[in-house]
Amino acid sequence: SYELTQPPSVSVSPGQTAFFTCSADKLGDKYSSWYQQKPGQSPVLVIYQDSQRPSGIPERFSGSNSGNTATLTISGTQAMDEADYYCQAWDSTNVIFGGGTRLTVL
Amino acid sequence: QVQLAESGGGVVQPGRSLRLSCAASGFTFNTYVVHWVRQAPGKGLEWVAVISYDGSREYYGDSVKGRFTISRDNSKNTLYLQMNSLRVEDTAVYYCARDRGKPRGVLDYWGQGTLVTVSA
Repeated sequence: SYELTQPPSVSVSPGQTAFFTCSADKLGDKYSSWYQQKPGQSPVLVIYQDSQRPSGIPERFSGSNSGNTATLTISGTQAMDEADYYCQAWDSTNVIFGGGTRLTVL
Repeated sequence: QVQLAESGGGVVQPGRSLRLSCAASGFTFNTYVVHWVRQAPGKGLEWVAVISYDGSREYYGDSVKGRFTISRDNSKNTLYLQMNSLRVEDTAVYYCARDRGKPRGVLDYWGQGTLVTVSA
């Protein structure tokens, strides 16, 4: 079965750039999405179709996808960005989630 | 505004059944694919099932295949998840989510979730 691999944690200081990776075989051939989930809340879509931001998502969130890796980037990270981030892909009939990466803003 | 509201969660014994509902509003429900996604306590997101806009096609995650059934009633703008032969490992918050549609497989709106606890 197709699996998406994410590192368990990322730490940055406020104002720095946070990078989140998501790896799988030929992931660049599929569209990737990213979701933010804060404690006790439902997931929120922050990036879809590799690099598109839904309405209301700040410009500091960006994405890319090539080869075997999709990347979510948060530029100028703020304390409010502290959350779990999940990558996701669509495999013809199935939704696949990565295991998630916890962002800590020090 | 798009709203999804799950209900029907609770405590149930292993081997029993439970049916979840998800009431949709703020969009034309019968033109969207919808999903169920769950999250065990302290764990990540796990996709459960998806149903086509007209209910003619359904797909399931391996861990629930043969035990869970997704369905919808477009006249009531409601999505369902019938869960049979429940196991302790089915304990989770269950979310319904709308599929954006273009491209397929992007979950753009989520409900608040309903907690299912399977315990003796």
